[in-house]
Amino acid sequence: AQKITQTQPGMFVQEKEAVTLDCTYDTSDQSYGLFWYKQPSSGEMIFLIYQGSYDEQNATEGRYSLNFQKARKSANLVISASQLGDSAMYFCAMRVPWDAGNMLTFGGGTRLMVKP
Amino acid sequence: GAVVSQHPSRVICKSGTSVKIECRSLDFQATTMFWYRQFPKQSLMLMATSNEGSKATYEQGVEKDKFLINHASLTLSTLTVTSAHPEDSSFYICSGLHGNTIYFGEGSWLTVV
Repeated sequence: AQKITQTQPGMFVQEKEAVTLDCTYDTSDQSYGLFWYKQPSSGEMIFLIYQGSYDEQNATEGRYSLNFQKARKSANLVISASQLGDSAMYFCAMRVPWDAGNMLTFGGGTRLMVKP
Repeated sequence: GAVVSQHPSRVICKSGTSVKIECRSLDFQATTMFWYRQFPKQSLMLMATSNEGSKATYEQGVEKDKFLINHASLTLSTLTVTSAHPEDSSFYICSGLHGNTIYFGEGSWLTVV
């Protein structure tokens, strides 16, 4: 079974500063994918970034980057130059392609609050 | 990214009635779609996996007769909450698998009064 742990229930960051949201995972599978989603108060789940377990480079998407440390089983999200609109819940998730159902396993989430 | 559209975004229904929520993949074919439920300030809880042309796979503890899932085409999955009760009030959100990534709909807020 897979497990995702996000140890920070809530975080504050000053506008324009960078912030790191922690995510650790546990799986015995060698092939897996790691995801980060943003959920604003409206409820929608916005896909941010994806990292495959065999990807050698850390994924980056604009201001988002994923600090993938495979040996430590961590997949932290780094948001550079925080903006007020970044205030939201952030979920780390994992998918094991060969697992029954291809479903996502979610962490408990981190609420990020950006201060002006 | 790929687009998944969910409708309605908000619905209020009377206790004892049924309500249907639609989930459409607009620019890709989704063989597999997932339905989640989310309680306030909690993470997403997978309810069921919907496979086109076959029966849905429900997670343990989810009543399949209460939460009917139909995946009749490669672009449409529906969740019907039957005989809804106030405790069914929640946020329901669907997602579709496209390549390596899973994209979500906008979610549906269900309130049963």
